[in-house]
Amino acid sequence: AQTVTQSQPEMSVQEAETVTLSCTYDTSENNYYLFWYKQPPSRQMILVIRQEAYKQQNATENRFSVNFQKAAKSFSLKISDSQLGDTAMYFCAAAKPGATNKLIFGTGTLLAVQP
Amino acid sequence: GAGVSQSPSNKVTEKGKDVELRCDPISGHTALYWYRQSLGQGLEFLIYFQGNSAPDKSGLPSDRFSAERTGGSVSTLTIQRTQQEDSAVYLCASSLVGQVYEQYFGPGTRLTVT
Repeated sequence: AQTVTQSQPEMSVQEAETVTLSCTYDTSENNYYLFWYKQPPSRQMILVIRQEAYKQQNATENRFSVNFQKAAKSFSLKISDSQLGDTAMYFCAAAKPGATNKLIFGTGTLLAVQP
Repeated sequence: GAGVSQSPSNKVTEKGKDVELRCDPISGHTALYWYRQSLGQGLEFLIYFQGNSAPDKSGLPSDRFSAERTGGSVSTLTIQRTQQEDSAVYLCASSLVGQVYEQYFGPGTRLTVT
């Protein structure tokens, strides 16, 4: 079974600075997908970035990038030039391609961007 | 186009009552998921529908929970004889199938059982 662990319940960063959120996972699968989702106070879950395990290159989406370390089963999210609108809960998730493709989530990290 | 919608946005019910939560997925998305988010927890998978296939009910916590999807579109999650531990945000998501496509989430229904 897949498990996802986020060991940082809360983090804080100054506006315009860089912050890294940690995530580790456990799986016996060779093919899987990893995700970071953002959940602002509106409760709407928004996909931030996605990584396919068979791709060695780290995914990047504008100010968001990941450090995917497959051997270490680590999948951290780096947010550069933090903005006030980045304040949210961030969830790391994993999925195994198959019949269901259900997401397995970590417990989340609450990120506060300070002005 | 329109995203995933859920109703009601908030629901307060008395212990022991039944509740129904509704999800309207994105048009054309044949995969539909229900997740539960309890306070301080991540999202927990409940049930998955895909087309006319038998649903994956492996995440339902008890037989008080059931869900259906009529006509391959709208889904209803029903909780019978609600308990206080059922208090949570219930999120619905939909996606295309074939690969692990992005799941598009609705805004959720916050259920409070008093």
